[in-house]
Amino acid sequence: DAKTTQPNSMESNEEEPVHLPCNHSTISGTDYIHWYRQLPSQGPEYVIHGLTSNVNNRMASLAIAEDRKSSTLILHRATLRDAAVYYCILRGPTSGTYKYIFGTGTRLKVLA
Amino acid sequence: DAGVIQSPRHEVTEMGQEVTLRCKPISGHNSLFWYRQTMMRGLELLIYFNNNVPIDDSGMPEDRFSAKMPNASFSTLKIQPSEPRDSAVYFCASSFHRTRRDTEAFFGQGTRLTVV
Repeated sequence: DAKTTQPNSMESNEEEPVHLPCNHSTISGTDYIHWYRQLPSQGPEYVIHGLTSNVNNRMASLAIAEDRKSSTLILHRATLRDAAVYYCILRGPTSGTYKYIFGTGTRLKVLA
Repeated sequence: DAGVIQSPRHEVTEMGQEVTLRCKPISGHNSLFWYRQTMMRGLELLIYFNNNVPIDDSGMPEDRFSAKMPNASFSTLKIQPSEPRDSAVYFCASSFHRTRRDTEAFFGQGTRLTVV
């Protein structure tokens, strides 16, 4: 399975933008990049996903490098509710299966 | 839709007892995943079903663990006999898988299992 690398933790001030990086240098051409987050005492929650082009939705934006070896999740204005562990996942037909394999993620702390 | 529904939310059992965790996926979804989460090991994928068929069970820790999906609206994860090291939060997730178009997974609230 292709691997992702994320910083263990990051801090942000409330109402400021947050850029969460993810490296995935072994990504294959058919792997999608997914981001999930897990709030305290809850199950993981979908944030956004993309293949090659940058993506926007109501929660966040996903910026994908041209060579697809890295991506950045952008929260435009962090709130205290955004404090969570953020996971970057590659998902695709590698080995013929579509699995969501979670790494250790980035723990985001939002300061008031 | 009520989302992915797991039961029970909490389970406390004695070592050696059989434990059955239940999951109802979102209607219309054709893929179902069971995960286990602990502080030490994070979120681990245990097994993955597609169209009710187990596709990958390489994450199932040992023979004490078994999972079934008798129909598209129900799955169980059974541990027999249970051991204290099985204490964890178990999550079920479902998604609608289509070739050439990726979709997101939806997770349940989890079952917190404590084996004493």
